[in-house]
This record gives sequence, C-alpha cells and structure tokens, in this order.
Amino acid sequence: NAGVTQTPKFRILKIGQSMTLQCTQDMNHNYMYWYRQDPGMGLKLIYYSVGAGITDKGEVPNGYNVSRSTTEDFPLRLELAAPSQTSVYFCASSTPGGLAGGPYEQFFGPGTRLTVL
Amino acid sequence: AQTVTQSQPEMSVQEAETVTLSCTYDTSENNYYLFWYKQPPSRQMILVIRQEAYKQQNATENRFSVNFQKAAKSFSLKISDSQLGDTAMYFCAFMKHYGGSQGNLIFGKGTKLSVKP
Repeated sequence: NAGVTQTPKFRILKIGQSMTLQCTQDMNHNYMYWYRQDPGMGLKLIYYSVGAGITDKGEVPNGYNVSRSTTEDFPLRLELAAPSQTSVYFCASSTPGGLAGGPYEQFFGPGTRLTVL
Repeated sequence: AQTVTQSQPEMSVQEAETVTLSCTYDTSENNYYLFWYKQPPSRQMILVIRQEAYKQQNATENRFSVNFQKAAKSFSLKISDSQLGDTAMYFCAFMKHYGGSQGNLIFGKGTKLSVKP
C-alpha cells in the first residue's frame, strides 16, 4: 500500500513551458486535492475532486487545470508556467468518516518542488 | 469564510520540556473538525491530532494533546516531553463537514518548532 504518490519530486521549468504533475492514490479514496505551499506559508487549495469525473476550483485555481478520469489519478496541469507558480505542490486524498484512517483525515503525498525561471 | 491564525511564527523548547502552540480560527459553522499537522524537514505532511467540534473532551494522542475552547474559537496544541524528532513546522487546520460530506482543509501559516538538546 503506497498511499499517495507524486511525480516528479523536483522540476525546473522555463517561463511559458507547460507540464503535468502526476498524483496517484491506491486507497480507493473518493476525495482528492491539490495544494500549493509557498515559502513561510500554509497550504492553499488549488483544485479538488469528490470523485471520478467531478472537479472543482479551490482558493487559487488560476493558471492550473485538472482532470479526474479514474478514482486513482488526479493530475495537475500547468499551462504557460510563470515565476509566481514557483512553489511546493502537494496532492492529498481522503475518504468520508467511518473508514480506516479516521473521519476526514487527508493523506498527503511527498510533494513536488517546482521552480519557474 | 473561515480563517485560521497561528500567531507564533517560531518557537523553541528544551528537550523533555513541554510546549504549547496556539491557534485561533473564525467560522460561523457549527459542524467542523480541527487538525494539527506536522511537517518535518522531509516535507511530508503528517497528521498529529484531530478534534471534532461537537466533542467537549479534548483529544489526546500519546504526548500530544489539545485545549479546545469552542466559544473562544481556540485550538492549542500541547507537546509534552518534547523530543528532537518533534522539530518541524506545525500547521493548524480547519474543515467543515455537512451531511456526511466534507469541506476543504483551511490551513494557518504554521509555527516552526525547534527542540533543543
């Protein structure tokens, strides 16, 4: 049981390039999330999904897109990368209360450190 | 909108002593959870402790306990017998829940805790 995995761990992009951050969970969780963490700050929600085929915007969605074609995968797409997107990106998943892990606990991946130059 | 405030950017404590991290939040919701997450230098987000708002009893997990004051909207974390491995960023987080569904995690900016030998 790997939990939540993210690839890549590190990436440097040039301004205007695009990339996809991959996220996979093997816990059969319905809910999945993408956060970004800027230096000295807490995590802010970019996008989330409550199940395959359903996604919605979080607090800071501009410049990003997501899709959720399967329960396991929730990729985050950056189009036209900008220096303001330099951050650490975390993917997380959770399941409603009553199941293993306790109610509403979010399980986080190890993060992707992205630098846009 | 909900907000979470951690007023202590940095704290330090001697090994084996006790330290308390502060957190206040603002919400008009009645049904919610509060969490403390730990982020060591590895960047991994680790759930430390969870409190359900409808429970008056304060949550405890081994050396970690909370002081939940619902009327004051205060949720502090006490770490007893501090260990070097407790050195990390600590984030307070809020999540509303409703009808079996859940809202999103809203994080404070974090408190950097250093445990000194």
